[in-house]
Amino acid sequence: EAGVTQFPSHSVIEKGQTVTLRCDPISGHDNLYWYRRVMGKEIKFLLHFVKESKQDESGMPNNRFLAERTGGTYSTLKVQPAELEDSGVYFCASSLTGSSGNTIYFGEGSWLTVV
Amino acid sequence: AQTVTQSQPEMSVQEAETVTLSCTYDTSESNYYLFWYKQPPSRQMILVIRQEAYKQQNATENRFSVNFQKAAKSFSLKISDSQLGDTAMYFCAFMKLGNQFYFGTGTSLTVIP
Repeated sequence: EAGVTQFPSHSVIEKGQTVTLRCDPISGHDNLYWYRRVMGKEIKFLLHFVKESKQDESGMPNNRFLAERTGGTYSTLKVQPAELEDSGVYFCASSLTGSSGNTIYFGEGSWLTVV
Repeated sequence: AQTVTQSQPEMSVQEAETVTLSCTYDTSESNYYLFWYKQPPSRQMILVIRQEAYKQQNATENRFSVNFQKAAKSFSLKISDSQLGDTAMYFCAFMKLGNQFYFGTGTSLTVIP
């Protein structure tokens, strides 16, 4: 069974440009999360989808960030326009409601560098 | 607010020895889960061990065990018989019902041959 996959694995963009990160959760998982880790700091929650609905987007830093999950399958996280402080690793994770232990599974992360 | 503190940014251990990574957390919740995740150089975040707060018994997974002290809000990870493949960044995480995770800043563990 495929795990959580993220694309691209690395991205380097200039300040002011737009980047779109994609996450494919484990098939059948209704919960999808986005997290971000800025270098040297903790991994911080961005938002949580249940199927196609945003359950909690309290962690989204500002309106330059837009997340979508059309159809309740894969999700995209767009940063427009990107700023230097947006650099970091963006993790996607998924879980199945009611599964044992509420375990969530992470992708490898998309490493974003804004220059 | 929930916070998770990992006070050891870096640690090292000799191969085959035992090492303990510390984690403390702060919450007013009574029912929650605690996790340790590892992120090796290959970058995949992997679940190491999980503890339900309502269970008094400490979780164990092969060479990995936890010392869960609920009153002290402490959740340390012990790695026995350390192996080179244990070299990774280790994250302690707290999850309240509703599935929102809170992570610590991580501990970078190096196993020395």
